[in-house]
Amino acid sequence: NAGVTQTPKFQVLKTGQSMTLQCAQDMNHEYMSWYRQDPGMGLRLIHYSVGAGITDQGEVPNGYNVSRSTTEDFPLRLLSAAPSQTSVYFCASSRLRTGGGLPQHFGDGTRLSIL
Amino acid sequence: GDSVTQMEGPVTLSEEAFLTINCTYTATGYPSLFWYVQYPGEGLQLLLKATKADDKGSNKGFEATYRKETTSFHLEKGSVQVSDSAVYFCALATTSGTYKYIFGTGTRLKVLA
Repeated sequence: NAGVTQTPKFQVLKTGQSMTLQCAQDMNHEYMSWYRQDPGMGLRLIHYSVGAGITDQGEVPNGYNVSRSTTEDFPLRLLSAAPSQTSVYFCASSRLRTGGGLPQHFGDGTRLSIL
Repeated sequence: GDSVTQMEGPVTLSEEAFLTINCTYTATGYPSLFWYVQYPGEGLQLLLKATKADDKGSNKGFEATYRKETTSFHLEKGSVQVSDSAVYFCALATTSGTYKYIFGTGTRLKVLA
C-alpha cells in the first residue's frame, strides 16, 4: 500500500525548460490535487481533479497544466519553467463524500529549483 | 470567501509545556476541520479531524474541538515533547457547491529539551 507517490523527489531545471511532475495513488481516490509550498505562504492550490477527465484551476494555476486520464495518475506539467516556480510541490488525494470533506493523503513532495 | 487563519510562529516551548495553536475559520455551510503535521523533509500527515460542531478530534495527545459559535478549532497538547517539533497546519474541507480544501499558513513548533 504505497499511498501517494511523487516523482522525482528533487529536480533542478534551467529557465525555459519544461518538465512533468508525476503523482500516482493506489487508493482509488476520486479527488486529486497539486499544491505548492513556499516559505510563509502555507499551501497554495494549483490544480485539482474530482475524477478522470475532470480538472479545474486552483488559486495559482498560471504556468502549469494538468490532465487526469486515469483515476490513479495526476501529472503536473511546467510549460516553460521560471525562477518564480522554485518551490516544493505536493500532490494529495482523497475520497469524495457528499455532505462532508474527507482528509487528504499527501505525497512526500518534489523539491524543484529553477535556475 | 472561505479561509483559515492560524497563529503565526515560530512557537518555542520547553519540554512538558502546554501547547495551544489557535485556528479560526470562515466558511459557508458546515465544513470539516483538520489539523495536519509536517515533519522536516516530509509531506503533511493528518493529525486529527472533526466533522461537525462540538466534535473533539484527538490523536497522540493532541486535541481540538470544533467550536461553531466562535468558528475556531484550536490545537492543544498538555505536555509537548521534543519529537513534536514540526509545522502544524489547520485546514478545512467544504462540499458546498465545489469541493475545496483550504489550509492555513502553518505554525512552526520548536520544543527544547
